Amino acid sequence: DIVLTQSPGTLSLSPGERATLSCRAGQSVSSNYLAWYQQKAGQAPRLLIFGASRRATGIPDRFSGSGSGTDFTLTISRLEPEDFAVYYCQQYGSSLWTFGQGTKVEIK
Amino acid sequence: QVQLVQSGAEVKKPGASVSVSCKTSGYSFTGYYIHWVRQAPGQGLEWMGWVYPNSGGTSFAQKFQGRVTMTRDTSITTTYMELNRLRSDDTAVYYCARARLGDFSFDYWGQGTLVTVSS
Repeated sequence: DIVLTQSPGTLSLSPGERATLSCRAGQSVSSNYLAWYQQKAGQAPRLLIFGASRRATGIPDRFSGSGSGTDFTLTISRLEPEDFAVYYCQQYGSSLWTFGQGTKVEIK
Repeated sequence: QVQLVQSGAEVKKPGASVSVSCKTSGYSFTGYYIHWVRQAPGQGLEWMGWVYPNSGGTSFAQKFQGRVTMTRDTSITTTYMELNRLRSDDTAVYYCARARLGDFSFDYWGQGTLVTVSS
């Protein structure tokens, strides 16, 4: 199985600041199959980014994804109050799906 | 609009089985894979497997093989996840999710079903 390691575990930032979240894979991942999700407390995850860099329907353009191979990044250009949540990366490969352990973005 | 609506919370004893349903609407039921993902309290997301409503085919994460069954009923556009021989560490919220065609990310999710395993 491909292991995804997210960092940092927690990111403490203020509204308006830029958030940079990292997702590192234990082996190369196809960019086509790397996604990012946002999860708020008590809610199901929401798809933000698919194919490493493509925003899902209705996702604001302050969210962007980049990367290839084993290193991927989710960037939130200017944090809005509703962006404080937990973020997960996910990959598909060899008929298996795996998630990273998550990064919590909290209000500083 | 696409909707996935899951069955309600369950409380089970260790060793028992649980079945969670996922009623879908708003799209072609047989055209998309349905995946199941669980989340233990305070923990991250764990992929369990998928069912393909068209054929009924399934595939599971190795951790759950032999203990999980995923089925579908096309007449009522519903998929089911049954987990057997429950243990306390199976206590979690169980989600169904639809996989996008092509890139296999999960674009629509059910609301989640809390399964509590306790003696």
